[in-house]
Amino acid sequence: DAGVIQSPRHEVTEMGQEVTLRCKPISGHDYLFWYRQTMMRGLELLIYFNNNVPIDDSGMPEDRFSAKMPNASFSTLKIQPSEPRDSAVYFCASSTTGTGGEKLFFGSGTQLSVL
Amino acid sequence: GNSVTQMEGPVTLSEEAFLTINCTYTATGYPSLFWYVQYPGEGLQLLLKATKADDKGSNKGFEATYRKETTSFHLEKGSVQVSDSAVYFCALSDRAAGNKLTFGGGTRVLVKP
Repeated sequence: DAGVIQSPRHEVTEMGQEVTLRCKPISGHDYLFWYRQTMMRGLELLIYFNNNVPIDDSGMPEDRFSAKMPNASFSTLKIQPSEPRDSAVYFCASSTTGTGGEKLFFGSGTQLSVL
Repeated sequence: GNSVTQMEGPVTLSEEAFLTINCTYTATGYPSLFWYVQYPGEGLQLLLKATKADDKGSNKGFEATYRKETTSFHLEKGSVQVSDSAVYFCALSDRAAGNKLTFGGGTRVLVKP
């Protein structure tokens, strides 16, 4: 299996622009997670899905952030409008075992820079 | 709420030195504990885990023992290699908190030849 695939690897955009991050989970994994990693706050869980349904979005920072999972093999995280403080590495992860952490597989991340 | 505290880095070592990364936690229930490793340019991957008190997790020469009395899960390796240079994250999942993973801030380790 190719693992969790994220695109793009790097994104540079200007403040106010819309940003869309993409994720393809491992086939057969029914949980998908979006994390954000910053120097100040470390690794934060933004939202997670089970069987394409959002289960917990309490970590989404504000209404500018939205996430969708239209099918089992694709998810997006959108920021509109983007701000410089959104600059971070965004990770997608997938699992078959829920949120327990034992079988959580991460993608390589998207490095987002908002100028 | 749950929290994980780990020593700040960077930790710089010479090859074959002994490595310890301290990790302590606060949890409302009886958590499972994990160490994840992030190599440069990659996502996190599970290094080892322990699910109950006094369990020892081990992998790739790394070990960590679940110490309930001190709420700790320190990571150790007896002889590090340059290839161990990475960022190490301590984490917990707690059934009382919906099993969500809570991560520490990460510790960067740099091993010099």
